[in-house]
Amino acid sequence: AQSVAQPEDQVNVAEGNPLTVKCTYSVSGNPYLFWYVQYPNRGLQFLLKYITGDNLVKGSYGFEAEFNKSQTSFHLKKPSALVSDSALYFCAVRSGDSSYKLIFGSGTRLLVRP
Amino acid sequence: DGGITQSPKYLFRKEGQNVTLSCEQNLNHDAMYWYRQDPGQGLRLIYYSQIVNDFQKGDIAEGYSVSREKKESFPLTVTSAQKNPTAFYLCASSLGGTSSYEQYFGPGTRLTVT
Repeated sequence: AQSVAQPEDQVNVAEGNPLTVKCTYSVSGNPYLFWYVQYPNRGLQFLLKYITGDNLVKGSYGFEAEFNKSQTSFHLKKPSALVSDSALYFCAVRSGDSSYKLIFGSGTRLLVRP
Repeated sequence: DGGITQSPKYLFRKEGQNVTLSCEQNLNHDAMYWYRQDPGQGLRLIYYSQIVNDFQKGDIAEGYSVSREKKESFPLTVTSAQKNPTAFYLCASSLGGTSSYEQYFGPGTRLTVT
C-alpha cells in the first residue's frame, strides 16, 4: 500500500537560514510525489511535484524538493527562510491504483522566527 | 484557492440534522474530491468522482453522501449518521486521466455540530 511519512510535527528555523521539511514514502511502482502548503483556515496550495526526470524539483515561492530513490525520500527545501513561510506543509503520493487519489502525510508545521 | 469555491466558510448545525456543503469549480476539471481535516491529522479522503454521474467511496465515506450531476459541482451531504461531523472540509479538483496532475483545493468549510 502507498504511504507517506512526515517524521517531524514541527520544524523551527531562523529567518534567513536554510530549511528542510522531511518526507519519506512507500510505493509500488514509480512514485508521483507532491508538496502542498496550508495557511491557517485556508485550503491547500500546490508547491511542486516530482513525476520523473531531474531529482531536484523547483516550485513556487522559492521552494525546491530533492527526490532520493534509494532513501525513498522527497524532502522540501528552501535556501533562505522567510517569516511568511510559517505554515503547515503536507507531502503526498499518488495512489498506485487506477484512481487519482492522493495519500497525504500528517503534516509538518514550519515556524520561522524573525 | 482560485477556481474552486466552497460555501459557506463557516457552518453551524444541531446534532441530528443533515447539512450540505457546496463545491463548485470553473477549471473544467474532470475529477473532484472531498477531504476531511481534523487537528493534528492529515487529510482523509471521503469521496471522489472521476467523471460526471459517477463517484466512489474514499477511506471514510460512512455518514456522508455526494452527487455529481454536473461537471462543475460536487456537493457533500453530512448526514446525521456521521458520528463526529465537526471538522474542516476541503474540496479539490484535478484534470484526471492517467497523468499525475496535481489537485487544486478550495478554501474549505468549517463545520461545527453541537
